[in-house]
Amino acid sequence: NAGVTQTPKFRILKIGQSMTLQCTQDMNHNYMYWYRQDPGMGLKLIYYSVGAGITDKGEVPNGYNVSRSTTEDFPLRLELAAPSQTSVYFCASSSGLAGGPGRGEQYFGPGTRLTVT
Amino acid sequence: LAKTTQPISMDSYEGQEVNITCSHNNIATNDYITWYQQFPSQGPRFIIQGYKTKVTNEVASLFIPADRKSSTLSLPRVSLSDTAVYYCLVGGGSSNTGKLIFGQGTTLQVKP
Repeated sequence: NAGVTQTPKFRILKIGQSMTLQCTQDMNHNYMYWYRQDPGMGLKLIYYSVGAGITDKGEVPNGYNVSRSTTEDFPLRLELAAPSQTSVYFCASSSGLAGGPGRGEQYFGPGTRLTVT
Repeated sequence: LAKTTQPISMDSYEGQEVNITCSHNNIATNDYITWYQQFPSQGPRFIIQGYKTKVTNEVASLFIPADRKSSTLSLPRVSLSDTAVYYCLVGGGSSNTGKLIFGQGTTLQVKP
């Protein structure tokens, strides 16, 4: 059981470039999340998904897009990268107990460190 | 929208009990309160979750007063390996689905 895996671990982008951060979980969880963590700060929710085909915005969605075609995968797309998107990105998943995504344990991946210059 | 506030840092010594409080004045009725631990260059790791009153597991206790506007994570007898950043997370209840708000984190330094 690998849990939540993320690729790549590190990436440097030039301003205006695009990329996709990959996230896969093998726990058959319904809920998946993308967060960003700026230095010395807490995590901020970008997008989340309650199941295949269903996604919704979190606190800071601007500049990002997501899709959820399978239960296992939840890629995050950055279009036209900007320096403000320099951050560490974490993907997480949870089983989705009754009561919403705030209930139950979230399992986090190891993160992707992205620098935009 | 729930805003969470935590102390930036705390120091303790091995063997002591540590209490970290999080303030969340605008918590919604169905929101849960969850605490995570994070080591450098790693993703957060779940510690404990509660809705009201007191919850205890094998590593920590969580105290939530009746008005739910704050919560206190209690770590009994800390060791050097408990040096980490601790985050409270509030939100995500059935009526507040997309609102998962992390605090800024409390850096706990445990000294020998």
